[in-house]
Formats: sequence, C-alpha cells, structure tokens
Amino acid sequence: SAVISQKPSRDICQRGTSLTIQCQVDSQVTMMFWYRQQPGQSLTLIATANQGSEATYESGFVIDKFPISRPNLTFSTLTVSNMSPEDSSIYLCSVEGDRGSGNTIYFGEGSWLTVV
Amino acid sequence: GENVEQHPSTLSVQEGDSAVIKCTYSDSASNYFPWYKQELGKRPQLIIDIRSNVGEKKDQRIAVTLNKTAKHFSLHITETQPEDSAVYFCAAVALSGGYNKLIFGAGTRLAVHP
Repeated sequence: SAVISQKPSRDICQRGTSLTIQCQVDSQVTMMFWYRQQPGQSLTLIATANQGSEATYESGFVIDKFPISRPNLTFSTLTVSNMSPEDSSIYLCSVEGDRGSGNTIYFGEGSWLTVV
Repeated sequence: GENVEQHPSTLSVQEGDSAVIKCTYSDSASNYFPWYKQELGKRPQLIIDIRSNVGEKKDQRIAVTLNKTAKHFSLHITETQPEDSAVYFCAAVALSGGYNKLIFGAGTRLAVHP
C-alpha cells in the first residue's frame, strides 16, 4: 500500500484567504486525486492531477478556485482560494496503488479546514 | 458517467446481529468495487473490495457480493460489534479519460448497540 502524507492536518482559515494543502507519497504514482468531503457528506472528486499536465477538473470545480500543482511523481498541492464558510470540509489526497494492488485507491489522512 | 446509490442511509443493529448495506451502480463498464469505513474524525479506510470477475469475497466477519447483471453489490457484516459503528461508503471505479475514477455512494451510518 502507499503511504500518503498530507499537510496541514487541520487549520482554521479566515474568510477570503487561500490555503495550500500538500500531499506527499512514498512512491512514484501516475495519478493523484483530490477529494472534498463536506460535513456529513460523501466524498466528491475535485480533480485528477497527472504529472506534467494540467489537472482535470470534475463538474462543479474550477481551476481558479482549486488550483492544483503536480511538479513530480510523488507530490501534489491543492489550493483552496478565496475561502468562504462553504469551503469548510475535509480535503483528501488519494492515489492508485501499484500494479500489484490493481485498482486499489488509498487516502491520505485528510486536511480538516474550517473557514470562519 | 457513473452514478452510485447506497441504502440505507442509517442502520441501527444490536450487537451480534448482521448488517447489510446495498449499492447500485449505473455504468456497466465499472470493474472494481471497494468499501470504505470512516470512523469519526478519521479518513476513509479500505475494508474490502471486489472485482468484476468475482461474485463474492469474504474476510472474516465481512463479505461483499456482486451481481453484475443487476449492477448491484452489497456489504455484509456478521456478528456486529460496537467497534463496527462508523460510516460506510461503497464506491465504483470506472475507466474515464484514460484513468480510473472512483465514485462514492452517499454513505451509511451504522450504529451497533451493546
């Protein structure tokens, strides 16, 4: 399985500010995924980050609000821009396991953001 | 695109009873179906998964069944214990745009009462 580290684990943010979440994986992976989990809700895919190309965003998510970087095969960042209280969520980084694990997808610890 | 529906949204059982959670999916091309358990304040953890070439898989007290024709899959927990209390999510993976995309159900909050 992959070991995925996320920072920060928790933060309280002021309305209108931006926060960048970092995701580090202990092995090289082709795809990294960013999910959002709003309070009491399921997980929703924000975007898929492929190294060397622009991220692919899901319906309802745009690059201006959630810019993503993917500088190499083990690291990615997600920025939540111009935050509002509605952005209070858990943000989760995930990766697909190696070939031996098939399609198994692993999650980082998550970043709990509260916007006040 | 893929759509995953999950039922029930809440489930309350007595310790020792069985619990069953059901999910349906829409994309017949989906080929991998994981189940995640999320305890309060923690990330989702994979507990069991099943691939499209298998009809049933068991791991101790947990089992998953898949009916590809009907496009539904279920999680079965036997001899439930209080520590099984959590939110459970089903998901389906389908190939989209050259990569595997994981789509989640809405979740089931399971409460196991002593």
